Amino acid sequence: KNEVEQSPQNLTAQEGEFITINCSYSVGISALHWLQQHPGGGIVSLFMLSSGKKKHGRLIATINIQEKHSSLHITASHPRDSAVYICAVSFSEETSGSRLTFGEGTQLTVNP
Amino acid sequence: GAGVSQSPSNKVTEKGKDVELRCDPISGHTALYWYRQSLGQGLEFLIYFQGNSAPDKSGLPSDRFSAERTGGSVSTLTIQRTQQEDSAVYLCASSLGSGGGHQPQHFGDGTRLSIL
Repeated sequence: KNEVEQSPQNLTAQEGEFITINCSYSVGISALHWLQQHPGGGIVSLFMLSSGKKKHGRLIATINIQEKHSSLHITASHPRDSAVYICAVSFSEETSGSRLTFGEGTQLTVNP
Repeated sequence: GAGVSQSPSNKVTEKGKDVELRCDPISGHTALYWYRQSLGQGLEFLIYFQGNSAPDKSGLPSDRFSAERTGGSVSTLTIQRTQQEDSAVYLCASSLGSGGGHQPQHFGDGTRLSIL
């Protein structure tokens, strides 16, 4: 069983819809990261959070440490939001730095 | 400033050949990570550098894989006697120290390696 579970694996939405992607993890972490990967492979870090909620433009990320769960929300979705969204966790260990353990990703397609 | 730079962007080689992949991290970033993304698979950790030292090599899949970092900057990942299962996108990321898990990682665009 993967330490990081994402759902759904695939998500298709109409432009303007509110989107939620979920991430659950099984062990204590130092931080949770949401990443975006566009076709062609480049990965961009969207959020890094260890508690509470963060907002950037139309993107909102929340985390519940007690429940070991995080959500990524996209408001007023747009076709340019189409990408793979990846949840990753890091543990603070002297020998491992902040190596990331990744979920399988959620392929989001937003249709016009 | 410049982001994480990886070269080559694409590499096609024959089975059995050695390949070298290069990563130039963001200036001043002491932590450097190599990850691999195989076709249809998720991302997996390969190796972590703090400065020139590699305290965690646990993700390297076999002894055909090695990596080094010099001058606390550029890193090379070497794969000897390549096999078809080595075909993947190899990604490098860097961050300001290991930061107790609280430093964002900046990713390069990756090297797409294809073994014929």
